[in-house]
Amino acid sequence: DVKVTQSSRYLVKRTGEKVFLECVQDMDHENMFWYRQDPGLGLRLIYFSYDVKMKEKGDIPEGYSVSREKKERFSLILESASTNQTSMYLCASSSLGGTADTQYFGPGTRLTVL
Amino acid sequence: RKEVEQDPGPFNVPEGATVAFNCTYSNSASQSFFWYRQDCRKEPKLLMSVYSSGNEDGRFTAQLNRASQYISLLIRDSKLSDSATYLCVVNIYRGNNNDMRFGAGTRLTVKP
Repeated sequence: DVKVTQSSRYLVKRTGEKVFLECVQDMDHENMFWYRQDPGLGLRLIYFSYDVKMKEKGDIPEGYSVSREKKERFSLILESASTNQTSMYLCASSSLGGTADTQYFGPGTRLTVL
Repeated sequence: RKEVEQDPGPFNVPEGATVAFNCTYSNSASQSFFWYRQDCRKEPKLLMSVYSSGNEDGRFTAQLNRASQYISLLIRDSKLSDSATYLCVVNIYRGNNNDMRFGAGTRLTVKP
């Protein structure tokens, strides 16, 4: 079974703090993604990466950065957390090739910024 | 206009009912289509892909209408365990990358 894990299920931070969200996948997938999910808005893509050290902006990259130093790990960084970044953050991975379409999600991190 | 639109529901149906969800998408270049299921406080998981010819998986039937740019999901003989949010997803291939667009989801509650 594909397994995608995220470092925390729940996180509470203060405005201005630097926040690291870690994601690890064990299926040797090339592609990794960070989304945020908010009620009524669905999943919105923040950043994605299709290879080590490669990153591409998604639809809402402002206020976020990412790091992919190893194939299995994709980190999302909030340089200075703000209250409008309170959300559910979901990491996903997928392979290249015939099954590239299927994204496997981690359990999510519910971040609250006070 | 959202790229993928779904009726948010909620749909409240009794056990055994048949229920159908529709989803419309705006980008005619969309090339593959999916339904994902998301349980409360859980991550989305792939339910089924949607093929042009329509496809069935047990009690679930998915259909695609490219001309009208909509996708449907039909659930027959609803079970309590079908209660979840169903996300419509469309995918556009862009070189190396898949650009997947998620709908906001349709919430289904199946009641005894």
